[in-house]
Amino acid sequence: EPEVTQTPSHQVTQMGQEVILRCVPISNHLYFYWYRQILGQKVEFLVSFYNNEISEKSEIFDDQFSVERPDGSNFTLKIRSTKLEDSAMYFCASSDLNYGYTFGSGTRLTVV
Amino acid sequence: DAKTTQPNSMESNEEEPVHLPCNHSTISGTDYIHWYRQLPSQGPEYVIHGLTSNVNNRMASLAIAEDRKSSTLILHRATLRDAAVYYCIPTPGGTNKLIFGTGTLLAVQP
Repeated sequence: EPEVTQTPSHQVTQMGQEVILRCVPISNHLYFYWYRQILGQKVEFLVSFYNNEISEKSEIFDDQFSVERPDGSNFTLKIRSTKLEDSAMYFCASSDLNYGYTFGSGTRLTVV
Repeated sequence: DAKTTQPNSMESNEEEPVHLPCNHSTISGTDYIHWYRQLPSQGPEYVIHGLTSNVNNRMASLAIAEDRKSSTLILHRATLRDAAVYYCIPTPGGTNKLIFGTGTLLAVQP
């Protein structure tokens, strides 16, 4: 069964550093998303991406965040200057909107 | 966004059917009813979705009330692997986002 692949599985970074989380969505999907889940809390929507541009973003997705699809397969989330409160699981997802979303297994980001 | 109400937790025995309820009384007429689950330490996983008619797939069945204000996810024979948090998410057709609530934590006893 097709999968969404996320790397790395765990990233530790110092406060103020930039991080890039990477995702390979399912190849024939056209819609891409990032969600996050702080430990013990709900899964939260961050951003959706279609046709090489952001289609919707949440209040969490401020100027410190950006997304990019640098080639035909990768989809990245960049956090420019990490804060302690950015520590969370980050999930990438993709969809063709006719079926459900397929989520990756996540990247655990720890900011120290 | 439609507000949902789900039990915080439920218990089931292995190989027995499980009925997970969800109330979504403010659902819009064009909202699909999506169900996802999240196993421990994993990302959410699509289970099933429907609009008006009951739906079946290899994982589960979805029973939708005639007035669409509630739905029930049915696992026909629970296994230990079905222990997870189950989320009911009304979602506008063609939307770009899922809004997750707190879901129902299902425990399956051997």
